[in-house]
Amino acid sequence: GAVVSQHPSWVICKSGTSVKIECRSLDFQATTMFWYRQFPKQSLMLMATSNEGSKATYEQGVEKDKFLINHASLTLSTLTVTSAHPEDSSFYICSARVTGLSNQPQHFGDGTRLSIL
Amino acid sequence: QKEVEQDPGPLSVPEGAIVSLNCTYSNSAFQYFMWYRQYSRKGPELLMYTYSSGNKEDGRFTAQVDKSSKYISLFIRDSQPSDSATYLCAINRQAAGNKLTFGGGTRVLVKP
Repeated sequence: GAVVSQHPSWVICKSGTSVKIECRSLDFQATTMFWYRQFPKQSLMLMATSNEGSKATYEQGVEKDKFLINHASLTLSTLTVTSAHPEDSSFYICSARVTGLSNQPQHFGDGTRLSIL
Repeated sequence: QKEVEQDPGPLSVPEGAIVSLNCTYSNSAFQYFMWYRQYSRKGPELLMYTYSSGNKEDGRFTAQVDKSSKYISLFIRDSQPSDSATYLCAINRQAAGNKLTFGGGTRVLVKP
């Protein structure tokens, strides 16, 4: 149980393109999902908390206009990297917590490797 | 000082040995303690989750929490080459919106 699916797993695109990444909780509902960024040989860095039906909460230093988050249903959150540039190349990972149960850990997707040329 | 400290390794052990991993944390308000395993270019996989001091066992894995010392450990018995990965400790508190604070990760190599 508690499976999180992330799509696509790898995307290469030209500079200036906008890229959308999907995060789905397959067998549970998730009021809250999280988006992380990870650089090589480093730990995960929280970018934002995605809340179903409301605006995302961004961490300090993360540009909300650059990284658009939409959490329109209890099983889907999307991250759109707008007008992507080479410095946005990274490994993006989402996670989700089971809604309705207290003290639940985060379950992670398999990540999306984004390469901007 | 980081809120959660973890030795980056790499930690190299022969197959069958016990792998011992640990993290220290500074904030006594932390409530929940997790260990994740991350293979290269994959997302973290939850191994252990606990919120009380003491030991918790699941198969070859034992998680240990000592809240008085602010110290958590993960032991892997009978290690296998497939256990070669980066292990991340993660800690959170409900009052912080359930955000996780991660250690930097320890890279483990189990040699056949």
